[in-house]
Amino acid sequence: AQKVTQAQTEISVVEKEDVTLDCVYETRDTTYYLFWYKQPPSGELVFLIRRNSFDEQNEISGRYSWNFQKSTSSFNFTITASQVVDSAVYFCALSEATGNQFYFGTGTSLTVIP
Amino acid sequence: EAGVAQSPRYKIIEKRQSVAFWCNPISGHATLYWYQQILGQGPKLLIQFQNNGVVDDSQLPKDRFSAERLKGVDSTLKIQPAKLEDSAVYLCASSLVVDLRRDGYTFGSGTRLTVV
Repeated sequence: AQKVTQAQTEISVVEKEDVTLDCVYETRDTTYYLFWYKQPPSGELVFLIRRNSFDEQNEISGRYSWNFQKSTSSFNFTITASQVVDSAVYFCALSEATGNQFYFGTGTSLTVIP
Repeated sequence: EAGVAQSPRYKIIEKRQSVAFWCNPISGHATLYWYQQILGQGPKLLIQFQNNGVVDDSQLPKDRFSAERLKGVDSTLKIQPAKLEDSAVYLCASSLVVDLRRDGYTFGSGTRLTVV
């Protein structure tokens, strides 16, 4: 069963626009962890944020913000005032308390047009 | 701090040939992971090492894939013989702690394998 769904395959925005990347997850565990990673063209996966299932407080870090809603099993990621350097593939991932691997979504390719 | 080093960066081989990838994790990171990322998909765990022992290899196709981490530092992933469906990026990652739920991994840039 698909654990993490990123329905948006590709998104293009013009520089300085805001953009939200959607992530919906599925798990039966009451304790779990959600992550966002960025994969620039160079290929490495860059860790952006981790949330645990007990902490639904939304977080803002510079131009990045995350909206975690357990009621809808969603963990969405918003970039404010997008920049060309934000162009990358973004992955949402889930780790359950039982077992120790990550379940990655299929990624959303973001292109920021100058 | 130096990152996770992987080589080669790219590799093209014919089907049924053998190939090996190398990974040098961040110094002091006891846990090492190999992931396979097929084009258009998210990474999938192949194997996890804790020092030189295997923690999880349940998704490693053992009939053709093998991995080792002899001295608990560098690791090698081998495919023998390769199939067309093995074309993917092979990512190595390492972490300081076993419980990666505390922190994310640190990934290398990957090896892009093309099997023709």
